[in-house]
Amino acid sequence: GENVEQHPSTLSVQEGDSAVIKCTYSDSASNYFPWYKQELGKRPQLIIDIRSNVGEKKDQRIAVTLNKTAKHFSLHITETQPEDSAVYFCAASPSGGYQKVTFGTGTKLQVIP
Amino acid sequence: NAGVMQNPRHLVRRRGQEARLRCSPMKGHSHVYWYRQLPEEGLKFMVYLQKENIIDESGMPKERFSAEFPKEGPSILRIQQVVRGDSAAYFCASSPLVGQTTEKNIQYFGAGTRLSVL
Repeated sequence: GENVEQHPSTLSVQEGDSAVIKCTYSDSASNYFPWYKQELGKRPQLIIDIRSNVGEKKDQRIAVTLNKTAKHFSLHITETQPEDSAVYFCAASPSGGYQKVTFGTGTKLQVIP
Repeated sequence: NAGVMQNPRHLVRRRGQEARLRCSPMKGHSHVYWYRQLPEEGLKFMVYLQKENIIDESGMPKERFSAEFPKEGPSILRIQQVVRGDSAAYFCASSPLVGQTTEKNIQYFGAGTRLSVL
């Protein structure tokens, strides 16, 4: 089955700096990679995703990159703000009839004002 | 669209009791997933169901845990004879029908049920 590894487990940055979270996956059949943000005591919410037919996607201060050859993908947050503080999960999923999504172990991001 | 609805939000049980957690998927979604999250930890997959079918239960403990998604009504995660180690947040997620090319693999999460076993 799929195995997703995520690093670092915790990350502290100064407000305004950039934050980068990296993930690797094992199953070459995976071709959909969502990122979820979970604030304390809240539900995970999708913030951005990328499919394997593109190498990069950007949405305002958030961007994801994907290297299919190396089987790794990253989340980049620029100009971080205190409200970016949360736990971020990467995930990987194959296409086709079975849509199991395998999550990484999470990165706790703290943005220091 | 009310989103994925889970109830109860908080559930307190004594050791040995049964816990029943309910999940109503988003309108039009026929795939339901259950995850367990221990404090300060990630989302652990438990089971994936479609209407009246269990597709993958590889993450479910072999004993005491069961799940169903009947033709009518919500999906139910049942934990029998709860123990303190079952205390966790249980999240349900739903996704649309396979075959819809847009949003095919996006999972939408409910607010979770926080189970406390005394």
